[in-house]
Amino acid sequence: QKEVEQDPGPLSVPEGAIVSLNCTYSNSAFQYFMWYRQYSRKGPELLMYTYSSGNKEDGRFTAQVDKSSKYISLFIRDSQPSDSATYLCAMSGGGSNYKLTFGKGTLLTVNP
Amino acid sequence: EAQVTQNPRYLITVTGKKLTVTCSQNMNHEYMSWYRQDPGLGLRQIYYSMNVEVTDKGDVPEGYKVSRKEKRNFPLILESPSPNQTSLYFCASMGLGTSETQYFGPGTRLLVL
Repeated sequence: QKEVEQDPGPLSVPEGAIVSLNCTYSNSAFQYFMWYRQYSRKGPELLMYTYSSGNKEDGRFTAQVDKSSKYISLFIRDSQPSDSATYLCAMSGGGSNYKLTFGKGTLLTVNP
Repeated sequence: EAQVTQNPRYLITVTGKKLTVTCSQNMNHEYMSWYRQDPGLGLRQIYYSMNVEVTDKGDVPEGYKVSRKEKRNFPLILESPSPNQTSLYFCASMGLGTSETQYFGPGTRLLVL
């Protein structure tokens, strides 16, 4: 079983839609959970960060972590064409090297 | 502006010709790391450094070297590049004792012929 599983998509939605992106993981030692956004030919950009279980909201973005189910989600409300990118979940914890373990990313296209 | 910079951004080389990819950060971060990104495999850690003169292997260190002589710089060295090192490389940095959030550079696209 892979440490982090993420549906690669692609996911195509109309402008204004609510987008749900998800990852599952197997390592119960993970404590820090992140979502990165990566535009084509650019480096990953930190979008949301959550420690342990719970929800976090930032504008149109909401991150949820359910450690009991080993499941994390990112919701994008009122999606915009500028949200079109690859979304990567990442997690760390349980080790001394602060290594991020990434999902393979979900390619999202928001159509005007 | 807080940032991680990498040079060069694009590089085409031939098998066996030593090369260095530079990485620099201006945030006084202790932790720096190198990742490679490949289709279908995602981002994987190559090497990391917890501070000056402290480096260690990540998941895919074979064929790479690093050094950390100054806090701001963390170069990635390919002493004898091979075609399987063709990839997109990212440097990242993080302040220890803060949230475990790493900030990434813009990437270096390497093609080894």
